[in-house]
Amino acid sequence: QVQLQESGPGLVKPSGTLSLTCAVSGDSISSSFNWWTWVRQPPGKGLQWIGEIHQSGNTNYNPSLTSRVTISVHKSKNQFSLRLTSVTAADSAVYFCARKTSSASRFDYWGQGTLVIVSS
Amino acid sequence: DIEMTQSPSSLSASIGDRVTITCRASQSISSHVNWYQQKPGKAPKVLIFGASSLQSGVPSRFSGSGSGTDFTLTISSLQPEDFATYYCQQRYSIPYTFGQGTKVEIK
Repeated sequence: QVQLQESGPGLVKPSGTLSLTCAVSGDSISSSFNWWTWVRQPPGKGLQWIGEIHQSGNTNYNPSLTSRVTISVHKSKNQFSLRLTSVTAADSAVYFCARKTSSASRFDYWGQGTLVIVSS
Repeated sequence: DIEMTQSPSSLSASIGDRVTITCRASQSISSHVNWYQQKPGKAPKVLIFGASSLQSGVPSRFSGSGSGTDFTLTISSLQPEDFATYYCQQRYSIPYTFGQGTKVEIK
């Protein structure tokens, strides 16, 4: 059974950097079939795709966040991570990591999500 | 970005009702739509991919249809565990985008 688990600080100061890690079990992050994704959801609002990474290191980002976001893969730990700089209150959200299959590009496994609040 | 517009934003229905949610894309996206169900405090769960293919383990009362710009998610007979928020998502081009969600509530 594939499982994903987000971890990281729940509180980040404005203008600071948000850093989250997603630990993957039950699948190898080195698999060529999948992309590893971050999605966020502000409280009470809808879903926003942040970006994705392939084991090759190739990335795709949401253009609205490109200047501030970096997604990295850590094969030896079977983890991938999200870094978002210059955060504001608008970045407060539940952050989910997910697996995107190459088949139909669907997000088939998700972490439970972690709430990050941007506040001083 | 491709905008995905769902309707209605919310609906009230009874157990056993047939429920239909629509999603319209701002441009043609062939059949590149997935549907998700999200319950409060939980991650989304994929129901339908490629507009009409049922994800493994998802009950057959869920179905999807459409192509081009107009898509539909149908629940043939609403069950208590189906009360949730539903999202469409286009996978035609990056950035992937979601509809704003349709909340299905108990009448």
